[in-house]
Amino acid sequence: GENVEQHPSTLSVQEGDSAVIKCTYSDSASNYFPWYKQELGKRPQLIIDIRSNVGEKKDQRIAVTLNKTAKHFSLHITETQPEDSAVYFCAASIPGGGADGLTFGKGTHLIIQP
Amino acid sequence: EAGVAQSPRYKIIEKRQSVAFWCNPISGHATLYWYQQILGQGPKLLIQFQNNGVVDDSQLPKDRFSAERLKGVDSTLKIQPAKLEDSAVYLCASSSRSASRTYGYTFGSGTRLTVV
Repeated sequence: GENVEQHPSTLSVQEGDSAVIKCTYSDSASNYFPWYKQELGKRPQLIIDIRSNVGEKKDQRIAVTLNKTAKHFSLHITETQPEDSAVYFCAASIPGGGADGLTFGKGTHLIIQP
Repeated sequence: EAGVAQSPRYKIIEKRQSVAFWCNPISGHATLYWYQQILGQGPKLLIQFQNNGVVDDSQLPKDRFSAERLKGVDSTLKIQPAKLEDSAVYLCASSSRSASRTYGYTFGSGTRLTVV
């Protein structure tokens, strides 16, 4: 089955700096890669996603890049703010038919230092 | 649009007891998922339903976990008997499985289970 590795497990950055979280996946058939933000005690919330026919996607301060050849994808957050502090999860799946459940990474605890 | 509803929000039981969780997906969503999230880890898929049929239950510990989705709407996840390692948040998610798939899953608030 699919295996998703996520690094780093903890990331501390100064407010205003950029943060980058990286994930690799094992199944070359995966073609849907969402990122979730989870605040303490709350449900995971989808913040951005990318499909395999796109190399990069941006939404305001958040961007995701995908390298299918290398089987890795990254989350980039620019101009970080205190409210960006949370745990971020990457995931991968094969949507479009049949079993398409998400395989999640172990998460990155992002800490924004004031 | 109403979200995914789950109940109860919290449950504390003793090991070897049984427990059941309920999920009501977003109206019209044919696909329903149950995930287990152990503290400090990412969610892990337990079972996926398409309408009232099981699509994937490869990671469901079938000796103690069971799930059903009668009439293709609400779903119930049961654990019998519970073990200490079942302590986790159980998340339900639903999807309409549209071709564009631009929005991903919508998770419910989850049920936090503590087994003592």
